This record gives sequence, C-alpha cells and structure tokens, in this order.
Amino acid sequence: NAGVTQTPKFQVLKTGQSMTLQCAQDMNHEYMSWYRQDPGMGLRLIHYSVGAGITDQGEVPNGYNVSRSTTEDFPLRLLSAAPSQTSVYFCASSYSGTTEAFFGQGTRLTVV
Amino acid sequence: GENVEQHPSTLSVQEGDSAVIKCTYSDSASNYFPWYKQELGKRPQLIIDIRSNVGEKKDQRIAVTLNKTAKHFSLHITETQPEDSAVYFCAAGTASNFGNEKLTFGTGTRLTIIP
Repeated sequence: NAGVTQTPKFQVLKTGQSMTLQCAQDMNHEYMSWYRQDPGMGLRLIHYSVGAGITDQGEVPNGYNVSRSTTEDFPLRLLSAAPSQTSVYFCASSYSGTTEAFFGQGTRLTVV
Repeated sequence: GENVEQHPSTLSVQEGDSAVIKCTYSDSASNYFPWYKQELGKRPQLIIDIRSNVGEKKDQRIAVTLNKTAKHFSLHITETQPEDSAVYFCAAGTASNFGNEKLTFGTGTRLTIIP
C-alpha cells in the first residue's frame, strides 16, 4: 500500500517549457487535489477533482491544467512554465474534501 | 471564498511548556477544521481535526477548540517536546451536496521547542 505517489521529486525547467507532474493513489479515494507551497503563503489549492471525469479550479489555477481519467491518477500539467511557478507542489487524496487528506512527498520545481 | 488567517507565524517555547496556535475563518458554512504538521522536508500530515458540531477535541497532548460564533479555532499542545518542532497548518473545509468541497489552509506557524 504505497499511499500517494508523486513524481518527479525534483525538476528544473526553462521558462516556456511544459511538463506534467504525476500523482497516483492506491487508496480508492474519490477526492484528489493539487497544492503549491510557497514560503509564508501556506498551501494554496490549484485544482481538485471529486471523481473520475470531474475537475474544478481552486484558488490559483492559472497556468495549470488537470484531468482525471481514472480514480487513481491526477496529473498536473504546466503549459508554459514561468519563474512564478517555482514552488513545491503537493498532491493529496482523501475520501472527500472534508476528511483526512493524504499527501504525496512533494515535487520541488524550479523554473529558470 | 473562504479566508483563513493563522497566528503567530513563528512561535518558540521552552520544552515542557504549552504552545497555542490560533486561526480564524470567514465562511460560516465551513464545518471541518483539521490541523496538519509538516516536519522539515516532509509532507504535511494530519494530527487532529474537529467538526462544527463539537467544541473541543483532545488526543493525548494535543487539543483543538472551536468557537463557531466567533469563527475561530485553536491548537493547544501541552508538555511540548523537541519532536513537536515543525510547521503547523490549520485549514477550514466546507461540505456541500454538490461535491465542491474545498480545504483552505492558513499560512502556517513555525513552532520551535527550545531544549
């Protein structure tokens, strides 16, 4: 039982490049979400999903896309990386939006 | 949308003393209030949570209190130990019948326990 698995752990991108952060969970959770963590700003919600085929925007969605084709996977796509997207990204899953969230180990992304 | 404010941003206490972290929220529809602990370089992990039909909840040295009228909730850690040093986040969550539940996090408190 791996829980929530995020890849990669570290990534450096050049401005304008695109990439996908992977997130997979094996707990059969319906609810999955992506956060970014910046110093002094806590965890801010980017996008979330309440089940396969359903996604919605969070607090800071601009520059990011998501899809949820299966219950297990919830990838986050950066369309055209910008230095402002330098951050630590966490994926989380839970039974619902108001139950315990299990976080992945995080991805430290640097955009130069 | 929901806005969660958390204070203080940093807190240092002597080992064995108590620590209190406070949060306020804005949306009266919020009804779920978890607290997460994040050790350096690690992922956030839930340490305690409370729902709006309860005023206080305890788990060993950790307790959370909720005042719905004033829209604030607090984390209390007693008999602090060095392993309590971490960043603590509060959050507020709103349940709905339409599945658009969201957690809004506070900005975090860095707690340092001084041996």
